[in-house]
Amino acid sequence: GQQVMQIPQYQHVQEGEDFTTYCNSSTTLSNIQWYKQRPGGHPVFLIQLVKSGEVKKQKRLTFQFGEAKKNSSLHITATQTTDVGTYFCAPFPRNKLTFGTGTQLKVEL
Amino acid sequence: NAGVTQTPKFQVLKTGQSMTLQCAQDMNHEYMSWYRQDPGMGLRLIHYSVGAGITDQGEVPNGYNVSRSTTEDFPLRLLSAAPSQTSVYFCASSYGGTPYEQYFGPGTRLTVT
Repeated sequence: GQQVMQIPQYQHVQEGEDFTTYCNSSTTLSNIQWYKQRPGGHPVFLIQLVKSGEVKKQKRLTFQFGEAKKNSSLHITATQTTDVGTYFCAPFPRNKLTFGTGTQLKVEL
Repeated sequence: NAGVTQTPKFQVLKTGQSMTLQCAQDMNHEYMSWYRQDPGMGLRLIHYSVGAGITDQGEVPNGYNVSRSTTEDFPLRLLSAAPSQTSVYFCASSYGGTPYEQYFGPGTRLTVT
């Protein structure tokens, strides 16, 4: 099956610091989605990347899809306490949305 | 729209019992799926459906059955509950077309003793 690894597993930052999570695949991906899950909540869709080298921004969040379509990253600039949660990358090959292991972000004041 | 609803929110079962987790969506989505989430394991796909009458297995289908008789409903059946099935279960749905955004329900927390 699809092997997707996310690093780091955990990240503690001070409010205002930047944060990046990386998603690496052993195979070429046709597309990849990112989700955020708040503590005690359910995953919420953030974005989908489809094209090689694609970069998309949502306010302080920047998403990238690698040129070889085997990796992706999510970067948050100047984290806020509202960014707390677990961020998952999720490739979507052949109707089977599979999730990475996630990066848990904690933001301290 | 209620979106994706799941019942019950919490359930405790004894080993060997059976039960059905309910999932319904009112968005006329063709694609529906079930995931389980365990600490440190992310979300793992159990079963999915691309439309009424069509289901397929995900990564961890053993011990679970599904059926899709209507577009709206996608119940998940545990045939004989085992402690290894203690988990949080999420149902999700999507249009099935680009961008395949998945809408998740609030989850069911299941404990098997």
